[in-house]
Amino acid sequence: NAGVTQTPKFQVLKTGQSMTLQCAQDMNHEYMSWYRQDPGMGLRLIHYSVGAGITDQGEVPNGYNVSRSTTEDFPLRLLSAAPSQTSVYFCASSYSWSGTEKLFFGSGTQLSVL
Amino acid sequence: AQSVTQLDSHVSVSEGTPVLLRCNYSSSYSPSLFWYVQHPNKGLQLLLKYTSAATLVKGINGFEAEFKKSETSFHLTKPSAHMSDAAEYFCVVSYSSASKIIFGSGTRLSIRP
Repeated sequence: NAGVTQTPKFQVLKTGQSMTLQCAQDMNHEYMSWYRQDPGMGLRLIHYSVGAGITDQGEVPNGYNVSRSTTEDFPLRLLSAAPSQTSVYFCASSYSWSGTEKLFFGSGTQLSVL
Repeated sequence: AQSVTQLDSHVSVSEGTPVLLRCNYSSSYSPSLFWYVQHPNKGLQLLLKYTSAATLVKGINGFEAEFKKSETSFHLTKPSAHMSDAAEYFCVVSYSSASKIIFGSGTRLSIRP
């Protein structure tokens, strides 16, 4: 098992550009999510999905879109990048959305918006 | 509002001495509690979790944590620090759903030789 795979590892964007962060898991997990990590703020939930075709907003969804057409993939789209979106992004998945299961994390994407 | 507070942003200990990372949470009922570790430039890895079974939870790499409902605390301890323990540690609380997971702000653990 590869676990949770995120690409790219690093990305630099100019303000106003769009891009998609890719996330895939091969564990048949029901729950997938995207977090952003900023210094001194822990991880904050952007969007999540409890199954194919079902997505919902987390704590900080503005400026981001997601879709879940398959169980395996959960891409995160930045519609028009802003400097405030400079952050480290993590995709995470778990077997269920009960909140009692461990989260499996990808290795992260470091995004800089100039 | 539900919250989790990690009381120290940075803890520094000498190799071979005990480690204590403190975490308090707010809750009107018993949550699920986790500690995750993040080594530099890596993703997060689960150290241990509490989900209403034994109050003393043992995790990987010699870490353990004790759930104290009366104090709403879930402190992480290790009897003897190793250089490889240097990392960022996150206390995490979950209230009934994975979408209600709340991360603490993190504690950076440094180990002095």
